[in-house]
Amino acid sequence: AQSVTQLDSQVPVFEEAPVELRCNYSSSVSVYLFWYVQYPNQGLQLLLKYLSGSTLVESINGFEAEFNKSQTSFHLRKPSVHISDTAEYFCALRGGATNKLIFGTGTLLAVQP
Amino acid sequence: EPEVTQTPSHQVTQMGQEVILRCVPISNHLYFYWYRQILGQKVEFLVSFYNNEISEKSEIFDDQFSVERPDGSNFTLKIRSTKLEDSAMYFCASSDGHADGETQYFGPGTRLLVL
Repeated sequence: AQSVTQLDSQVPVFEEAPVELRCNYSSSVSVYLFWYVQYPNQGLQLLLKYLSGSTLVESINGFEAEFNKSQTSFHLRKPSVHISDTAEYFCALRGGATNKLIFGTGTLLAVQP
Repeated sequence: EPEVTQTPSHQVTQMGQEVILRCVPISNHLYFYWYRQILGQKVEFLVSFYNNEISEKSEIFDDQFSVERPDGSNFTLKIRSTKLEDSAMYFCASSDGHADGETQYFGPGTRLLVL
């Protein structure tokens, strides 16, 4: 069975500090990996994705994630966060013949001034 | 930029009533999905739909649920007889197939409250 684990339910951080949101996955087949962001009272927005090729992927707003197959991880990082980054972040995978996305439980990034 | 839209944004209904949640996927997409998120819990897959038929469904998607693509643009989720535990945010998503790794783009959701 496939699964996604986000160990941190909440990550408080001060503005302009670096942050890492952890995501580990389990799958017996190769996977596509995604990070989605959910701002307060809004839907899910695709932040970035790993499909193939370079293991380091970046978003347009400064986030990056690195696919690490040996550690089965896809951690999300940002070197300097803003208040506007406050949101819930979901890691998700799709693997094998199925189209469905399997989501982690989410991490609330709370950026404080 | 094209986006997935959903209506209504909020729906309140009485237990046992039927509800229809509507979605307009991105126009050139071929695969359609419904997910739900019960308050405080993870996003869960319900069903995927391709070529006018269900391609995959979860255990949650029992006989009370159905999906339909009534015309060339809409994609609906019907719950025949709502239960209290159906209260959740329901997300529609669509993808264009293999060209984009089947990246799924989500709508803003419909918050369903069953009383």
